[in-house]
Amino acid sequence: KAGVTQTPRYLIKTRGQQVTLSCSPISGHRSVSWYQQTPGQGLQFLFEYFSETQRNKGNFPGRFSGRQFSNSRSEMNVSTLELGDSALYLCASSLVYFASGTLNTGELFFGEGSRLTVL
Amino acid sequence: SQQGEEDPQALSIQEGENATMNCSYKTSINNLQWYRQNSGRGLVHLILIRSNEREKHSGRLRVTLDTSKKSSSLLITASRAADTASYFCAPRVLYNNNDMRFGAGTRLTVKP
Repeated sequence: KAGVTQTPRYLIKTRGQQVTLSCSPISGHRSVSWYQQTPGQGLQFLFEYFSETQRNKGNFPGRFSGRQFSNSRSEMNVSTLELGDSALYLCASSLVYFASGTLNTGELFFGEGSRLTVL
Repeated sequence: SQQGEEDPQALSIQEGENATMNCSYKTSINNLQWYRQNSGRGLVHLILIRSNEREKHSGRLRVTLDTSKKSSSLLITASRAADTASYFCAPRVLYNNNDMRFGAGTRLTVKP
């Protein structure tokens, strides 16, 4: 079956602009997580969505937002872009299962990422 | 949530040698997962070890888990140039395993 699809793969923006990145999860996966990867900060967790609800959020300013649609597809938005937002943005999807009285998230399946360059 | 911390930060070996990388974490976990990332690509899941397991194998990979020391190790045997990548561990915390955080990773270089 098809893997996680992220679009666009590459994009260039200028400071102050905004950007929207899209992620289509593997069919049947209802959890979608977003990560930012930069050489200086490494791989940082942005947020995780399940059933159109944000369940967890990393330590990023409010300029970073996301949402999930009823078909589990997700988008993330970065407004008022800064140079430091240049990064590889990775999306990952996973199955969610109920065990030991809690909802658990399975292994993550990553897309190839969207590489954002802010000039 | 918590992230794992991988050690060493970088490792360089010759093809055919074994590579060992370590992961430490701070709180009780449900499971711990290892991922590989080739340069500029998405991460790929390698192996998952549950908190009640001590060792697990998958092909040339061997993972151990010591919950008393809160540490895990990943051993790649008979390494190949294609194993050159960054390796990340991700501990899954009990009762809050819905966000998975990664450390800085171990950058493995296998020289042909």
